[in-house]
Amino acid sequence: DGGITQSPKYLFRKEGQNVTLSCEQNLNHDAMYWYRQDPGQGLRLIYYSQIVNDFQKGDIAEGYSVSREKKESFPLTVTSAQKNPTAFYLCASSPSRTANSPLHFGNGTRLTVT
Amino acid sequence: QKEVEQNSGPLSVPEGAIASLNCTYSDRVSQSFFWYRQYSGKSPELIMSIYSNGDKEDGRFTAQLNKASQYVSLLIRDSQPSDSATYLCAVTSYNTDKLIFGTGTRLQVFP
Repeated sequence: DGGITQSPKYLFRKEGQNVTLSCEQNLNHDAMYWYRQDPGQGLRLIYYSQIVNDFQKGDIAEGYSVSREKKESFPLTVTSAQKNPTAFYLCASSPSRTANSPLHFGNGTRLTVT
Repeated sequence: QKEVEQNSGPLSVPEGAIASLNCTYSDRVSQSFFWYRQYSGKSPELIMSIYSNGDKEDGRFTAQLNKASQYVSLLIRDSQPSDSATYLCAVTSYNTDKLIFGTGTRLQVFP
């Protein structure tokens, strides 16, 4: 059963701690994306990767880091430098390296930092 | 001007009516257009994609694209309470090769 798996579903951290959100896909998709969604807001792009071992900053990359060592995996680290980390984080993938194909989303990770 | 604009709503329609959701975009060279449905607390799921001017129908859903006027709309016929959700419009362009989302329109279908 193909899909995108994000874990954990809920994550709680203290301010000042780094935290890594997992995203794994078995769809054999080339491109993977990380979005952030705040209440009442649209999705904002954090980072994306179109190919293994390569990734680009999105619109709000400050305070975040990623890696793409395997095609299936695209973990996101929220660092202590991120000023407002509490949000709903969505990982997505696409079969195309361009943005012209629909994105498939994981179920999201809700991060709360206190 | 926002790149992709949607009325936040809520748009309230009675069960069985047609719900009309609208989206405008600023980049004239936009090429791909998507509608996603997002239930509260859940991730977005793709409803429709449209790439050329005109209408595209899929079941109760019809997407309409007018590139000259830079708008894309989603019609939901025979609306059901289960259609109550936030509908996100997303647009890509040749220039940025990124998918830009609107803030979404919340639809409420009441019995």
